[in-house]
Amino acid sequence: DAKTTQPPSMDCAEGRAANLPCNHSTISGNEYVYWYRQIHSQGPQYIIHGLKNNETNEMASLIITEDRKSSTLILPHATLRDTAVYYCIVRFPRGGSQGNLIFGKGTKLSVKP
Amino acid sequence: NAGVTQTPKFQVLKTGQSMTLQCAQDMNHNSMYWYRQDPGMGLRLIYYSASEGTTDKGEVPNGYNVSRLNKREFSLRLESAAPSQTSVYFCASESNTEAFFGQGTRLTVV
Repeated sequence: DAKTTQPPSMDCAEGRAANLPCNHSTISGNEYVYWYRQIHSQGPQYIIHGLKNNETNEMASLIITEDRKSSTLILPHATLRDTAVYYCIVRFPRGGSQGNLIFGKGTKLSVKP
Repeated sequence: NAGVTQTPKFQVLKTGQSMTLQCAQDMNHNSMYWYRQDPGMGLRLIYYSASEGTTDKGEVPNGYNVSRLNKREFSLRLESAAPSQTSVYFCASESNTEAFFGQGTRLTVV
């Protein structure tokens, strides 16, 4: 069973904020929320991750609800180059059998001029 | 610093042929992964390796074998290729915080 649920597609106007939702209602206490994106058949690229506090880096912000059952990835000023498939992943950190990096179907974000 | 390097980038095989996809990373990561991606779909995990000398099955391991002979290299072998294995294959290695992916190998089995 999928650990996360994401809308299959979203549109965003260039220059506007893109808000990508992710539901993870069965997340356990020690699991993190990770976001990756894949731009047109390239290898996926790490964006950000968090446990329960909101996180921000140079690429995006991650807002996790207080009950941790959902989160939102925010691209503050989307550009055409942000058009990609965005994957929300819930997992234990590090490698090993507990920390497999399993991708779902993601959200295809289309940024339009 | 090359990151994750996959070879070859493109390959065409005949049904029944065998081949090995090579992956090497120079970031001293313990964890490495092999994925396949079919058109319009997300990545599916084939095998992973938590450390040198250890490997475990992922979501779709049938028809594949892997080898993690040292920390740098994690190879994926198709013993008898089938058309259903036509796909793009990605290798990745992971630090404590993020995974780094290679550019992919586009494999066609005819």
